[in-house]
Amino acid sequence: QSALTQPASVSGSPGQSITISCTGTGSDIGGYNYVSWYQQHPGQAPKLMIYDVTNRPSGISNRFSGSKSGNTASLTISGLQAEDEADYYCSSFTSSSPLVFGGGTKLTVL
Amino acid sequence: QLVESGGGLVKPGGSLRLSCAASGFSFSDYYMSWVRQAPGKGLEWLSYISPTDTYTKYADSVKGRFTISRDNGRTSLWLQMNSLRVEDTALYYCARVSNDYGDYSLDSWGQGTLVTVSS
Repeated sequence: QSALTQPASVSGSPGQSITISCTGTGSDIGGYNYVSWYQQHPGQAPKLMIYDVTNRPSGISNRFSGSKSGNTASLTISGLQAEDEADYYCSSFTSSSPLVFGGGTKLTVL
Repeated sequence: QLVESGGGLVKPGGSLRLSCAASGFSFSDYYMSWVRQAPGKGLEWLSYISPTDTYTKYADSVKGRFTISRDNGRTSLWLQMNSLRVEDTALYYCARVSNDYGDYSLDSWGQGTLVTVSS
């Protein structure tokens, strides 16, 4: 199962909004509404930020939002803050294997 | 809380058994999973196991070499890794499959245990 495709890096200034894309196929992102997003700070374990495409777990800031169009899912972070600087990974249920991750995107807050 | 252990240095072709001790939640109610991260690389899902140990699933990269198991009485999860390869070198995470946040998200993670496969 090939990994989902994410940009290697994105950047933005404090207060701005950024969007990270995650592209798959009709067998994963396009076929199911089971996309999740994880945040990982250096040396730490991943943290669930978005589940089922658009939903936020309890305690996650509403500055984080998710969406999907066709085979591409997106994570948008609004009002960018220094603490948002981290790696972000998407994941999706797939028809061939329960779960596949994206390659990860490094977010730099300028 | 999830705490992994059992990582270390092993030669190619060798075996290792990783453990994950769970606490603070009803372990027997949850699917559990293993995910790994090679140094400087992204996340790779490896395996999951159903709450009653009746159903397991593996990524193609480890199928036939790795075995996931659990003991609900001991609130523990294991990953038996055989025929290890250099490319299995990674930080191995134990993760809980969420019951509250969708069907295919991982809502709790350990800190990982490092496995290094090298001659």
